[in-house]
Amino acid sequence: DADVTQTPRNRITKTGKRIMLECSQTKGHDRMYWYRQDPGLGLRLIYYSFDVKDINKGEISDGYSVSRQAQAKFSLSLESAIPNQTALYFCATSDWIGDGSNEQFFGPGTRLTVL
Amino acid sequence: AQTVTQSQPEMSVQEAETVTLSCTYDTSENNYYLFWYKQPPSRQMILVIRQEAYKQQNATENRFSVNFQKAAKSFSLKISDSQLGDTAMYFCAFTPPDSNYQLIWGAGTKLIIKP
Repeated sequence: DADVTQTPRNRITKTGKRIMLECSQTKGHDRMYWYRQDPGLGLRLIYYSFDVKDINKGEISDGYSVSRQAQAKFSLSLESAIPNQTALYFCATSDWIGDGSNEQFFGPGTRLTVL
Repeated sequence: AQTVTQSQPEMSVQEAETVTLSCTYDTSENNYYLFWYKQPPSRQMILVIRQEAYKQQNATENRFSVNFQKAAKSFSLKISDSQLGDTAMYFCAFTPPDSNYQLIWGAGTKLIIKP
């Protein structure tokens, strides 16, 4: 079984709709992340969470919100989707082991299309 | 600002050839980690190799090796005996301590291995 799972894998929605993307992990990591990937731009950080009570904005948080329901669950919401939020979304996890590496482990991604 | 630059948007080589992907980064820090991630058409992000900046020895993982030049802030990836399954996007990333250990990503290089 995959260590980091994302649901749904693909989603098509309409402008103005509320969308939630979910992420679950069985790695026991404290840190979780949401990224967005656009062609030619690499990965950009939307939000990150170091534990259930610690949530931080990333580079491109406008138009998004998150909820850390438990150590293992981190969901991303688009309150009112717009077409330029069409992208591939990744959830990732990492474990703080004191060496500063912050190696991240990724889910399979969610392809979101906003019409 | 700390940045990662991958100057080759796309590369293609014949199967069994050796290919080198370039990556440069900018930081004023002394201790950090560098990573190469692979994203095949399945879109899963997979860690290929990592390098600790305080180690002078270049990291290797089977056919994958890096040429880490700390003074030049260069971190290139060499793939030997390339295989069709190496076809993927390759992303360079690093973890500077003063970014709260977040990963800073390059825009990626699309590598195509031709039969």
